[in-house]
Amino acid sequence: GENVEQHPSTLSVQEGDSAVIKCTYSDSASNYFPWYKQELGKRPQLIIDIRSNVGEKKDQRIAVTLNKTAKHFSLHITETQPEDSAVYFCAAKSGGGADGLTFGKGTHLIIQP
Amino acid sequence: KAGVTQTPRYLIKTRGQQVTLSCSPISGHRSVSWYQQTPGQGLQFLFEYFSETQRNKGNFPGRFSGRQFSNSRSEMNVSTLELGDSALYLCASSLGGAGTEAFFGQGTRLTVV
Repeated sequence: GENVEQHPSTLSVQEGDSAVIKCTYSDSASNYFPWYKQELGKRPQLIIDIRSNVGEKKDQRIAVTLNKTAKHFSLHITETQPEDSAVYFCAAKSGGGADGLTFGKGTHLIIQP
Repeated sequence: KAGVTQTPRYLIKTRGQQVTLSCSPISGHRSVSWYQQTPGQGLQFLFEYFSETQRNKGNFPGRFSGRQFSNSRSEMNVSTLELGDSALYLCASSLGGAGTEAFFGQGTRLTVV
């Protein structure tokens, strides 16, 4: 089955700086890669996703890049703000839609004022 | 449009008992997936239902089961509860096709004592 590795487990950045979280996956059949943000005591919220036919996607301060050859994808947050503090999870899903999401272990992002 | 609703929000059960959790997906969504979230193991896929049929199952024992009704609402059942079953159980709804966005409910916090 699919295996997703996520790094780092904790990331502390100064407010206004950029943050990058990286994930690798093992199943070459995976073709959908969402990112979720989970604040303490709340549900995971989808913040951005990318499909395998696209190399990069951007939504305001958030961007995701995908390298299918190397089987890794990354989340980039620019101009970080205090409200970006949360745990971020990457996930991968293989084709056909019948498989569940396989999640990374999460990255605790801390924005230092 | 109402989001994903899970009930109850909190449950305390005794070892050996069984429990049923409920999930109402977003209107029009036909797929419901269930996940277990613990500090040690992160988010793990339990199973997915689409049009009342289980499409896929994760690596959990047979004590974990589910079903989906004709209105797409889903229930998850855990029998013979163990202390290790204490976790946040999340359901996610989606349209069900390949690479479609999944939206999570707020979860049911199960504590087994």
